[in-house]
Amino acid sequence: RKEVEQDPGPFNVPEGATVAFNCTYSNSASQSFFWYRQDCRKEPKLLMSVYSSGNEDGRFTAQLNRASQYISLLIRDSKLSDSATYLCVVTLNTGGFKTIFGAGTRLFVKA
Amino acid sequence: ETGVTQTPRHLVMGMTNKKSLKCEQHLGHNAMYWYKQSAKKPLELMFVYSLEERVENNSVPSRFSPECPNSSHLFLHLHTLQPEDSALYLCASSQEATSYEQYFGPGTRLTVT
Repeated sequence: RKEVEQDPGPFNVPEGATVAFNCTYSNSASQSFFWYRQDCRKEPKLLMSVYSSGNEDGRFTAQLNRASQYISLLIRDSKLSDSATYLCVVTLNTGGFKTIFGAGTRLFVKA
Repeated sequence: ETGVTQTPRHLVMGMTNKKSLKCEQHLGHNAMYWYKQSAKKPLELMFVYSLEERVENNSVPSRFSPECPNSSHLFLHLHTLQPEDSALYLCASSQEATSYEQYFGPGTRLTVT
């Protein structure tokens, strides 16, 4: 089983739609969780951290479920500019610090 | 944005060449990272430096040799690479080498011929 697993997509949605991505992680000792966004041929950029209580930033909502070991990202009112690859990131410290990236979920928002 | 810069942006090298990738961060961070991103694969963490000391080496072949002369600069020295080493090499930095958000440079797209 992969340490961090995401549905690669692609998700093709119309503008204004709501779309949700899930990410599962295998190590229960995982400490911190993030969503990054990567545009085509660009570097990843932090979208948001994921807190235990869940957090929201404008149209984006992130949730963490430690019991089931998954995190989610919800995008409301999708814009064309949301088209990108969304990377799930997990960090853990088990005798050495590790940052593990998921392979990403591709999103295409169409007019 | 110029928080983390990388040079060169593109590099083509033969298998017998020696080259170096450079990364510089202007964010006052204490940790720097090298990642490899191959097509259709997740980012692979290669090395982590914290306050100029290497704290993580993820079983990277010795043909990749990192160097961190100070907390703002990070190099990746390359020698006798293989074609399968062709990838995007990304540098990142973070406040500390723990659970903080990482800020990435634009990457160096490396092609080994």
